[in-house]
Amino acid sequence: DAGITQSPRHKVTETGTPVTLRCHQTENHRYMYWYRQDPGHGLRLIHYSYGVKDTDKGEVSDGYSVSRSKTEDFLLTLESATSSQTSVYFCAISESGGTSSYGYTFGSGTRLTVV
Amino acid sequence: SQQGEEDPQALSIQEGENATMNCSYKTSINNLQWYRQNSGRGLVHLILIRSNEREKHSGRLRVTLDTSKKSSSLLITASRAADTASYFCATDDNKGAQKLVFGQGTRLTINP
Repeated sequence: DAGITQSPRHKVTETGTPVTLRCHQTENHRYMYWYRQDPGHGLRLIHYSYGVKDTDKGEVSDGYSVSRSKTEDFLLTLESATSSQTSVYFCAISESGGTSSYGYTFGSGTRLTVV
Repeated sequence: SQQGEEDPQALSIQEGENATMNCSYKTSINNLQWYRQNSGRGLVHLILIRSNEREKHSGRLRVTLDTSKKSSSLLITASRAADTASYFCATDDNKGAQKLVFGQGTRLTINP
């Protein structure tokens, strides 16, 4: 999607290994979000950032950490991957959080499989 | 916990018919948004309606909001095969409105 890229697009990893997913934006938006999407659960917020070095937990943050050292990059780390973290991960950006008239812009997603 | 819940979970109609999806939410909101997701892709923002608005239009989309019933509906008129997708409502949490909470979505299939 224009202005936001996620990497990698697909990843298979072993249980117990650390994994880092990257979200990169070129829109200079203040807000960045990590969601996971699972069948029957829709999208659930993991962590979000409202500025450089400013982050907060979402609904399903256990087992995940994030970092944002510069405006354009938001990293999601699975500290020790488990099979329950097999999911599709979406990054989203927003100019003004939940009130933006333009809504969120989503990346194309990262499909993570933990074996 | 989910703020918005869509109904129905799945909807299948013939091309040219109108499709209506509903969303209910639990707490007060500043705005409600609708998104579309094509298979294997990220979500795309369709329309936002603010809590002081009752109806909004965008092309073939019509969104209504009833804050007294904590519900919204998305109407797609004259459906096309390309409208086949999942549709999600999302609400801010009215706590600084920094983030959105998404429902589980309605899977819409348009049959030719």
